[in-house]
Amino acid sequence: ELKVEQNPLFLSMQEGKNYTIYCNYSTTSDRLYWYRQDPGKSLESLFVLLSNGAVKQEGRLMASLDTKARLSTLHITAAVHDLSATYFCAVDREYGNKLVFGAGTILRVKS
Amino acid sequence: SAVISQKPSRDICQRGTSLTIQCQVDSQVTMMFWYRQQPGQSLTLIATANQGSEATYESGFVIDKFPISRPNLTFSTLTVSNMSPEDSSIYLCSVEDLPGISTDTQYFGPGTRLTVL
Repeated sequence: ELKVEQNPLFLSMQEGKNYTIYCNYSTTSDRLYWYRQDPGKSLESLFVLLSNGAVKQEGRLMASLDTKARLSTLHITAAVHDLSATYFCAVDREYGNKLVFGAGTILRVKS
Repeated sequence: SAVISQKPSRDICQRGTSLTIQCQVDSQVTMMFWYRQQPGQSLTLIATANQGSEATYESGFVIDKFPISRPNLTFSTLTVSNMSPEDSSIYLCSVEDLPGISTDTQYFGPGTRLTVL
């Protein structure tokens, strides 16, 4: 059974600081997703990582994937308050778009 | 990207009743999915809805409790039957990206926030 673990579950950051959220998964998968969820809102797709060594960047967020280690990271550079949200990683269970989600990381950026 | 709408956006229901949630997509998609997000929790896949066939349910979810319809390639419904307070959750539908111009992204609807009293 595929398990997806995120850490930390809660992250309080100062503006301008850097930090990394980690996503480990237990079995082989071809695809890993990062989503953002604001309070009371649905999920916004941030990144899709499809191969070993994939790296994608958008603004202050950069995601990477190491399929051999079964690890993805979401790196936050020079955090700003607008990045405050819950971030989920999700792994495609069997190349059928059946996503298994991590528990989510609640990010709070303090000014 | 696909535009997905859900109705209702929220509802408060009495225990023992049923609620049907609608999911409409602005383009044809092969696979649609229903997820549940319990308060303060992550998302859990309920079932996969393919047009022209029975929905495929995940472990812990059964058709009698969560019947699903998929009458065409742009629409699906999820019914939460005989509700109890434990069914209070956000229910989200999602779709795979369009074939042919795929970005391999799965898109989510805005969600239906259900409270059962």
